[in-house]
Amino acid sequence: DVKVTQSSRYLVKRTGEKVFLECVQDMDHENMFWYRQDPGLGLRLIYFSYDVKMKEKGDIPEGYSVSREKKERFSLILESASTNQTSMYLCASRGLRQGGEKLLFGSGTQLSVL
Amino acid sequence: GENVEQHPSTLSVQEGDSAVIKCTYSDSASNYFPWYKQELGKGPQLIIDIRSNVGEKKDQRIAVTLNKTAKHFSLHITETQPEDSAVYFCAGTDQGGSEKLVFGKGTKLTVNP
Repeated sequence: DVKVTQSSRYLVKRTGEKVFLECVQDMDHENMFWYRQDPGLGLRLIYFSYDVKMKEKGDIPEGYSVSREKKERFSLILESASTNQTSMYLCASRGLRQGGEKLLFGSGTQLSVL
Repeated sequence: GENVEQHPSTLSVQEGDSAVIKCTYSDSASNYFPWYKQELGKGPQLIIDIRSNVGEKKDQRIAVTLNKTAKHFSLHITETQPEDSAVYFCAGTDQGGSEKLVFGKGTKLTVNP
């Protein structure tokens, strides 16, 4: 069963900590995305990657960075976590050969920054 | 860039009734419009999508209609069941070179037994 796996379902961190959110897909998809989901604001794109070692800023990149060293893994990094980064983080992937525009999402990581 | 507006933000219906969720988009070049369903504790899952060369698409109890002239599209769920209760998101494509999806803010649908 093809899937997008996010390493943690729940995460609690302290202000100022460096936080890594990991995402792995097993479908050989070229594109990968990080969204954050907040009540009343929907899904907002943080960063995306078209392929290995490529990355582009989304709509709300401030305070975040990403890494894509291997095709199957896309990491979101909070350099110095702040309380306003408490949110649900969703990873998604898309295979242009396999499914065109269709995004496949992971189950999400609920991050709390105290 | 693309802007997608979604209404209503909450919708409550009785089991067996129909539910309609509406979205408008701003970018006339947008050509792909998916709908996602997110159940509690899960990531969004694609339930139906439509491309700009098609006016309507149906899959069992769900259907999507697209009006390119008015730049709006709608999700129709007939004979609603309690398991249809979820948050639904519409999306359009940002044609600014990346074709990334731009999502609406979501509609929380509650189907009362």
